[in-house]
Amino acid sequence: EVQLVESGGGLVQPGGSLRLSCAASGFTFSSSWMSWVRQPPGKGLEWVANIKEDGSEKYYLDSLRGRFTISRDSAKNSLFLQMNSLRAEDTAVYYCARDHMAAVWDWGQGTLVTVSS
Amino acid sequence: QSVLTQPPSVSAAPGQRVTISCSGSSSNIGNNFVSWYQQLPGTAPKLLIYENNKRPSGIPDRFSGSKSGTSATLGITGLQTGDEADYYCGTWDSSLSAGVFGGGTKLTVL
Repeated sequence: EVQLVESGGGLVQPGGSLRLSCAASGFTFSSSWMSWVRQPPGKGLEWVANIKEDGSEKYYLDSLRGRFTISRDSAKNSLFLQMNSLRAEDTAVYYCARDHMAAVWDWGQGTLVTVSS
Repeated sequence: QSVLTQPPSVSAAPGQRVTISCSGSSSNIGNNFVSWYQQLPGTAPKLLIYENNKRPSGIPDRFSGSKSGTSATLGITGLQTGDEADYYCGTWDSSLSAGVFGGGTKLTVL
């Protein structure tokens, strides 16, 4: 059974930083593209970033490029999202997800990031 | 403003059929596979359809997907009250080099 467990969310002040982690199990992590998708409270899904199996390719929502960095550690079956210069509009539930066959196949339960003073 | 356009809401009676549209462009739907997701209240999204019209194991055949040109459609037959949820389409946008989702459609089963 695929399991994706996010951690690292919480309350952070505007301008601050946060690093999200996702522990993956139940599939071959090193053979899977992985993504982060976020959902602001009461709003729709927004794709954030994804990363190739070996980490050699990374793609970002254009408005986040330069502030957010996606990375992975296949030895630890873990996905990360480093978020810097956080803004109120970054407040959302952040989902870790496994990509497969041009779709987001599996989702974590999400971790809430709140940017507020 | 989402790259993919969905109706904000649709409704139908139990047992009836409903369709949800997703409109895009040649850089996304027109040249990439479309997927559909169901999000029940308070839960993570769940994959319903991938590669335009394929269902993952465990998804009932009441759910179907199709694509024509730069638009895609999710169909749900035999509506049940448990189908009340938000539905999202998604695909890759080759011009943006980014994933994109529709704004979501809230399904109400009257």
